[in-house]
Amino acid sequence: DAMVIQNPRYQVTQFGKPVTLSCSQTLNHNVMYWYQQKSSQAPKLLFHYYDKDFNNEADTPDNFQSRRPNTSFCFLDIRSPGLGDAAMYLCATSAHPFTDTQYFGPGTRLTVL
Amino acid sequence: GIQVEQSPPDLILQEGANSTLRCNFSDSVNNLQWFHQNPWGQLINLFYIPSGTKQNGRLSATTVATERYSLLYISSSQTTDSGVYFCAVGLYGGSQGNLIFGKGTKLSVKP
Repeated sequence: DAMVIQNPRYQVTQFGKPVTLSCSQTLNHNVMYWYQQKSSQAPKLLFHYYDKDFNNEADTPDNFQSRRPNTSFCFLDIRSPGLGDAAMYLCATSAHPFTDTQYFGPGTRLTVL
Repeated sequence: GIQVEQSPPDLILQEGANSTLRCNFSDSVNNLQWFHQNPWGQLINLFYIPSGTKQNGRLSATTVATERYSLLYISSSQTTDSGVYFCAVGLYGGSQGNLIFGKGTKLSVKP
């Protein structure tokens, strides 16, 4: 089945220690998104890739970066995690940006100690 | 920016009951989706419905774009329907866009 896969499902890191979260897709979609969802809140878009074009939301902290080496993979890098970055990180894909169904992966739950 | 309001914020049902969830949005959009987030955090797409009516089994949705609201109907609810239901609206123009989520409706279905 075509799907969106996120690894790891759970990640524990230390305050200030860089961490990378991974997302892969078999849907061959052009667009990949990263969302942050804190406890009991709605998901919030951090950035998205439309093919190789990177689009950052204005209020996404500089501490968050992303890479998309090919169509199938996208990475979220948190350079210096703080306690406030503990959250569920959700990857999603769609064929077209924002005017199409978005398909979400299972998420990575990040804990910062 | 676009505001998205969902109601009710919490809903408790007895198994077998029907319910209607509402999503109001403040501006014209070219994307509207309903999602179910299960207790493990997985977001499942229920409907892509920027306008019109769709049905999928016990679920159906209607969006009246001109009046800026959408409704999600759940009939004969089951305990597996429990979780949070999100409405998300999207607007895309040029190279800019976003999908804005409402705060969700938390549904608990009791056996």
